[in-house]
Amino acid sequence: EPEVTQTPSHQVTQMGQEVILRCVPISNHLYFYWYRQILGQKVEFLVSFYNNEISEKSEIFDDQFSVERPDGSNFTLKIRSTKLEDSAMYFCASRGTGGGQPQHFGDGTRLSIL
Amino acid sequence: AQKVTQAQTEISVVEKEDVTLDCVYETRDTTYYLFWYKQPPSGELVFLIRRNSFDEQNEISGRYSWNFQKSTSSFNFTITASQVVDSAVYFCALSEAYSGAGSYQLTFGKGTKLSVIP
Repeated sequence: EPEVTQTPSHQVTQMGQEVILRCVPISNHLYFYWYRQILGQKVEFLVSFYNNEISEKSEIFDDQFSVERPDGSNFTLKIRSTKLEDSAMYFCASRGTGGGQPQHFGDGTRLSIL
Repeated sequence: AQKVTQAQTEISVVEKEDVTLDCVYETRDTTYYLFWYKQPPSGELVFLIRRNSFDEQNEISGRYSWNFQKSTSSFNFTITASQVVDSAVYFCALSEAYSGAGSYQLTFGKGTKLSVIP
């Protein structure tokens, strides 16, 4: 069964450094997402991406964050200058076309900011 | 604004007991979708079920069943004859049915941690 893949599984970065989290969505999906889960808390929406542009973003997704689909397969999340509070699990998800299609999640990238 | 409430933070049951996880939601949309996801200790999010707001039929899949009641804005999840492998955090989630912006983002509850004790 096709799946969403995320790399790396764990990223350790010094505060203030830039980090790029990578995702390969399911190949025929057109909607892409990033979510974040701070340890022990709920999963929070960051941004959705459709038709090569951001369709919606949350208040968490400030100017330090950006997303790109640099080619036909990858979908990336960049945090420009990381803060301690950016430490979390970041999940990429994708969904197919059609009402109510479920989002399928990758295994996540655990980001640790030192 | 959409909101999902899972009032049960943690539940412990002994293996083979039945357990129900509660989910209550709020939305202004007349059509919407509800989901349950499982997050085992390994951390990934696994899709379990989707229900649209038009369909109030209960659904059963093996030991899992779901009770959707639009009148009380609830979408509860029951595991029958629980097993140790059911130990996980379970999230209920809500999304709009129609999105001109192309979002369909999921709004998650805080999750219920289920521990099944052998």
